[in-house]
Amino acid sequence: EDKVVQSPLSLVVHEGDTVTLNCSYEVTNFRSLLWYKQEKKAPTFLFMLTSSGIEKKSGRLSSILDKKELFSILNITATQTGDSAVYLCAVNSGAQKLVFGQGTRLTINP
Amino acid sequence: KAGVTQTPRYLIKTRGQQVTLSCSPISGHRSVSWYQQTPGQGLQFLFEYFSETQRNKGNFPGRFSGRQFSNSRSEMNVSTLELGDSALYLCASSSPSPDEKLFFGSGTQLSVL
Repeated sequence: EDKVVQSPLSLVVHEGDTVTLNCSYEVTNFRSLLWYKQEKKAPTFLFMLTSSGIEKKSGRLSSILDKKELFSILNITATQTGDSAVYLCAVNSGAQKLVFGQGTRLTINP
Repeated sequence: KAGVTQTPRYLIKTRGQQVTLSCSPISGHRSVSWYQQTPGQGLQFLFEYFSETQRNKGNFPGRFSGRQFSNSRSEMNVSTLELGDSALYLCASSSPSPDEKLFFGSGTQLSVL
């Protein structure tokens, strides 16, 4: 059975800290790995990764994929209170079927 | 460009009723997929449609069904509602390969009483 596991499940840090969120996966058919941020309802797209070792970067956020070890990390530097959200990792296993992890609830305290 | 639009935003139904949810994808996107999100199970895949054909289906009972129209809009139907069907139902659309990023709507919050 396809599986995506995220860690930690919950994380509380102070504004300005750097955080690393982890995502490991076991799927029979891998097409891509995606990261989303969910604050209220709609998960908003952050990154899509398909190749190992190539870092994707957007402002203070970055992500990288290791297809040999079957994991990805999402880094957020200089965190702000607006980064507080649930971060979701998902693997596209074909025909747009995403298998999601449980999510990491990140809380940034001022 | 308008995002993925889901209607209604909120629904309250009673057990045994049926419900229809609607999703309009981003213009130009032909793939529409549906997900159920609950606190206990997280986000789970329901089904995906492309060019009016169901290409993939998750592990949900036959009470959950869907369809897609020629303009790519999609509907999802749940019959004989159960208390456990209370959830946030999210729709996502994606552009054709190779850029298969999925973009989500704000969802329909369904409460079954």
